[in-house]
Amino acid sequence: DGGITQSPKYLFRKEGQNVTLSCEQNLNHDAMYWYRQDPGQGLRLIYYSQIVNDFQKGDIAEGYSVSREKKESFPLTVTSAQKNPTAFYLCASSASDRARANYGYTFGSGTRLTVV
Amino acid sequence: AQKITQTQPGMFVQEKEAVTLDCTYDTSDPSYGLFWYKQPSSGEMIFLIYQGSYDQQNATEGRYSLNFQKARKSANLVISASQLGDSAMYFCAMREGHTGGFKTIFGAGTRLFVKA
Repeated sequence: DGGITQSPKYLFRKEGQNVTLSCEQNLNHDAMYWYRQDPGQGLRLIYYSQIVNDFQKGDIAEGYSVSREKKESFPLTVTSAQKNPTAFYLCASSASDRARANYGYTFGSGTRLTVV
Repeated sequence: AQKITQTQPGMFVQEKEAVTLDCTYDTSDPSYGLFWYKQPSSGEMIFLIYQGSYDQQNATEGRYSLNFQKARKSANLVISASQLGDSAMYFCAMREGHTGGFKTIFGAGTRLFVKA
């Protein structure tokens, strides 16, 4: 079955450490996204990518970095510059042509990151 | 700037009754899409329904319907015949048609509780 796989499900980070969250999709979607969700709040866009080797900053990109070397993969690195990284991170993908994009995003099951 | 507002932090509904979740939006782009997503306690976001800004008819998907009032900039979700499994967070979202690629912004969400 096609879908998005995020790993790990839970991740603990020490102060000053960089960590990378994995996101892989086999839906043949061109566009991929990373969102952050804080308790009781909506989703905020960190980064998005519409094609391989290209990505754009979202609303809260500071302290994060991404790469898009393959269509299937869009890993997110939370750097030590991100001062408050404890949150739930969701990866999503969508078709890039407008007709199919109307079906909405497909989301992964999320990674819960905690600073210890 | 585009904005999504959900004014109901929490809603209660009796099983088998209908419930309306409110959503208002703001955009200057004449072409946009409106979405509703469900987030169960497991965390994964599930796409429910889509409404395009040029669609003449209100969207329906099974027990879900979208009450689209363009002049009022509202896109309320109606769930008919509520079930216990409908208890979850619900997010309204919007994507502008011509700016920002296919990035989508989300409201703060409404938590729905279905009572037996």
